[in-house]
Amino acid sequence: DAGVIQSPRHEVTEMGQEVTLRCKPISGHNSLFWYRQTMMRGLELLIYFNNNVPIDDSGMPEDRFSAKMPNASFSTLKIQPSEPRDSAVYFCASSFGYGNQPQHFGDGTRLSIL
Amino acid sequence: DQQVKQNSPSLSVQEGRISILNCDYTNSMFDYFLWYKKYPAEGPTFLISISSIKDKNEDGRFTVFLNKSAKHLSLHIVPSQPGDSAVYFCAARPGANNLFFGTGTRLTVIP
Repeated sequence: DAGVIQSPRHEVTEMGQEVTLRCKPISGHNSLFWYRQTMMRGLELLIYFNNNVPIDDSGMPEDRFSAKMPNASFSTLKIQPSEPRDSAVYFCASSFGYGNQPQHFGDGTRLSIL
Repeated sequence: DQQVKQNSPSLSVQEGRISILNCDYTNSMFDYFLWYKKYPAEGPTFLISISSIKDKNEDGRFTVFLNKSAKHLSLHIVPSQPGDSAVYFCAARPGANNLFFGTGTRLTVIP
C-alpha cells in the first residue's frame, strides 16, 4: 500500500521566493497534519485538517505560511516569502479519524532557504 | 514551551542489552502516548502506544511503561539489535486532538 507521499524531497531556494510543499495522504485517511522538524524544537505541529477542513492552525508561525486541502487526496503548504529561518524538514502525516489512531508520516521535504 | 520532554539526546547500548528511553510530560490532560522511530531521510514510523488507563503495554521486544503520578513514560527494548539504531520520539495527545512530540533521543546499538 502506498504511504503518505510528499514532494519535493529536497528544495533549495533563495530567500524571498515562494515555496510550495505537497502531500498526498493515505487513501481513506481523513485527517492530515503538517509538521516542521528542527534540532531545537523537534517535531512541531503547524496545522491539521479533518475532512479537508482546517481544525487547528495555531502552530503556523506567521502569515507567510499558508496551507490548503482542496480535496481528500491532496494538500499544500506554502511559504511566501521564504526566509532562511524557515529551513527545516517538513513532514506531512495522515490518520483515520481522531482518537487512538497513529499518524502515518511521509518521508519529509528538506527545505533550505539561502 | 515543551510539554513533552526527552532529556537525553542520545543513548548508546551494547547489542543484546536493554535500551531504556525516557520521556516526561507536563500536561495532565494527556491520555494517550506513543513512541515513533525515525531512520535518517525517512519519516517517523509508529512503534507502540499506551492509553492512560494502562501502565504497561508490550509488543515483542518493545515495552512501554507509564507512570501517571510522575508524568513519566519509558520505552524498553530488549534485547537491543543494531537495526534498532534510530531516533526515537515520544508523543502525547490530550483527548481527541493533535500530538505533541518530544525532541527525540538518538539510540545507537553497538554490535
